[in-house]
Amino acid sequence: DTAVSQTPKYLVTQMGNDKSIKCEQNLGHDTMYWYKQDSKKFLKIMFSYNNKELIINETVPNRFSPKSPDKAHLNLHINSLELGDSAVYFCASSQGTVSDTQYFGPGTRLTVL
Amino acid sequence: GDSVTQMEGPVTLSEEAFLTINCTYTATGYPSLFWYVQYPGEGLQLLLKATKADDKGSNKGFEATYRKETTSFHLEKGSVQVSDSAVYFCALSDVGGGATNKLIFGTGTLLAVQP
Repeated sequence: DTAVSQTPKYLVTQMGNDKSIKCEQNLGHDTMYWYKQDSKKFLKIMFSYNNKELIINETVPNRFSPKSPDKAHLNLHINSLELGDSAVYFCASSQGTVSDTQYFGPGTRLTVL
Repeated sequence: GDSVTQMEGPVTLSEEAFLTINCTYTATGYPSLFWYVQYPGEGLQLLLKATKADDKGSNKGFEATYRKETTSFHLEKGSVQVSDSAVYFCALSDVGGGATNKLIFGTGTLLAVQP
C-alpha cells in the first residue's frame, strides 16, 4: 500500500551511460514532481507534470527527460551521465494546488563513477 | 524570487530539551508553509503545515505558527526525544504555473538528540 514508490533505490553507473528512474503513485493525484537532493542535503525542484503535461522545468539540462505515460507514473531518463549528476532523486505527488501536501517517494541514490 | 532561510545545524540537544528551529521566508504572493522531516536513509515526510497567516500547524508535539508580519515559521517542540533525530526542512509552496505548485526548501537543519 505504498503511496509513492520509486525504482531503483540505488543506481551506480559509469560516466556517459544512460539510465532511467521510475516513479509510481497510487494516491490518485493529478500532479507529480521530480526533486534533486545534493550531497549537502539541499533540495531543488526539477520538473512537475499535471495530467501528463509538463508544467515546470527548472532550467534542468536537456540530458534529463521526464516522461509521464499516465497520471500515476512519472519516469526520469538521464542521458550521458556526468559526475555532477550524483545525487538523491525524489519523486513526489500532490493534487497540485498551493496548499496541498506533496507526498514523497523513498528516493533513488544515483552515483556516477 | 521566493526563498526560505533556516538556521544552520547541526543542533545537538539532550533528551527532554526544548527545541526551536528558526525559519524565515521571502515570497511575493501568499504561500503555504511546511515543515518536512527526513529520517536517516528515508524520504521526506510532512511534519506539519499552515496555509494562511496566523495558522498554527501541529503534529507529534511539534508546532509552528505562520507569522506574516515577521515572515517566519519557526518550529518548536517542548521536549525532544532521541527518535526526533533527523533533518528538518522548512519549505514554502508557490504557484509554479498552470495547475501546479512547487516547493522551495530551506537548506535543512540536522537535529541530533542525545539520551
